[in-house]
Amino acid sequence: SAVISQKPSRDICQRGTSLTIQCQVDSQVTMMFWYRQQPGQSLTLIATANQGSEATYESGFVIDKFPISRPNLTFSTLTVSNMSPEDSSIYLCSGRLNTEAFFGQGTRLTVV
Amino acid sequence: KQEVTQIPAALSVPEGENLVLNCSFTDSAIYNLQWFRQDPGKGLTSLLLIQSSQREQTSGRLNASLDKSSGRSTLYIAASQPGDSVTYLCAVLNSGAGSYQLTFGKGTKLSVIP
Repeated sequence: SAVISQKPSRDICQRGTSLTIQCQVDSQVTMMFWYRQQPGQSLTLIATANQGSEATYESGFVIDKFPISRPNLTFSTLTVSNMSPEDSSIYLCSGRLNTEAFFGQGTRLTVV
Repeated sequence: KQEVTQIPAALSVPEGENLVLNCSFTDSAIYNLQWFRQDPGKGLTSLLLIQSSQREQTSGRLNASLDKSSGRSTLYIAASQPGDSVTYLCAVLNSGAGSYQLTFGKGTKLSVIP
């Protein structure tokens, strides 16, 4: 199994600012992902974090808004840029070990 | 495109009762299916992983079954407890367009009444 530490666990931010979320995995997972969960909804994949190269974004998500880094196999960051109230969601980091998915504790973001 | 449906969306049971949560998926070409629990406002905790070649998995009071051909899975919870009152998510992993996509259902919110 894999243990994923994600921080911060929650934050309240002013609109127009940016927040960087960090994710640390205790083992070398094959793949890492970032998800968004809007209130009352299920998880939506934002992007696949690729080690040492640009992330692969899903339709509707762009690098300028959600820049992602993954400098090594066990660490990744997601930045939510130029935030608006519509960005208020839970953001989740996920790692995959073989074909099993593991998740961080989530970051509950509120934009005011 | 894979679609995952969970029924019911919410369920309330008295403590001690056994219960079944349902998950269905449209594309049977899956690698595996995972059940997660999500505490309010938190991340996901993996409960059970069933590979496509397996029929069921058990962990403690939990038993998950998989019928890949019919696109169905169930999560059976025995002797429910108030601590089981969270949202349960079902997710399937299938190969599509080169990357292994994990598709989630919307979840079943369980309330166990003491």
